Amino acid sequence: DVKVTQSSRYLVKRTGEKVFLECVQDMDHENMFWYRQDPGLGLRLIYFSYDVKMKEKGDIPEGYSVSREKKERFSLILESASTNQTSMYLCASGLTGGARSPLHFGNGTRLTVT
Amino acid sequence: AQSVTQLDSQVPVFEEAPVELRCNYSSSVSVYLFWYVQYPNQGLQLLLKYLSGSTLVKGINGFEAEFNKSQTSFHLRKPSVHISDTAEYFCAVLKTSYDKVIFGPGTSLSVIP
Repeated sequence: DVKVTQSSRYLVKRTGEKVFLECVQDMDHENMFWYRQDPGLGLRLIYFSYDVKMKEKGDIPEGYSVSREKKERFSLILESASTNQTSMYLCASGLTGGARSPLHFGNGTRLTVT
Repeated sequence: AQSVTQLDSQVPVFEEAPVELRCNYSSSVSVYLFWYVQYPNQGLQLLLKYLSGSTLVKGINGFEAEFNKSQTSFHLRKPSVHISDTAEYFCAVLKTSYDKVIFGPGTSLSVIP
């Protein structure tokens, strides 16, 4: 079974802090994604990566950056956390040509910025 | 730009009753279609997908969905729901030429005993 592990289940941070959300997958997937989930808005894509050291902006990249130094690890960085970044963050991985292979999701990190 | 609409944000239904969760999409090109389910305190998992061929797709846990190209719809159905089906359901589309999945806003299914 594919496993996508997000390092923290719950995080509480203060406004202005730098925040790192970590995600690791164990199935050698090329593609990794960071989504943000908010009630009534569904999942919105923040950033994604097709390969090591490659990254692409999603629909809502402002205020975020990412790092992919190793194939199995994809980090989401909030340079200076703000209260409007309080949300559930979901990491996912998948194979290239992903129509025939589903996305595999982690259990999410619920971030609260106070 | 493509988008996904789920018309019902919340659907309460009694146990053993049938249910239909609606999904419509807009796209000027061919797409692949998916339904994902999110159980409480968990990530999403794939319920079923339409890639090509038969427009009626069967998934896990007794769910099925029908692709209707003329109505650009991909509604999810189950003839008899269980308490364990209580979850958030997301419809999603993928352009054939890109690997970026677009999700709908989700429908919260609550099964009432």
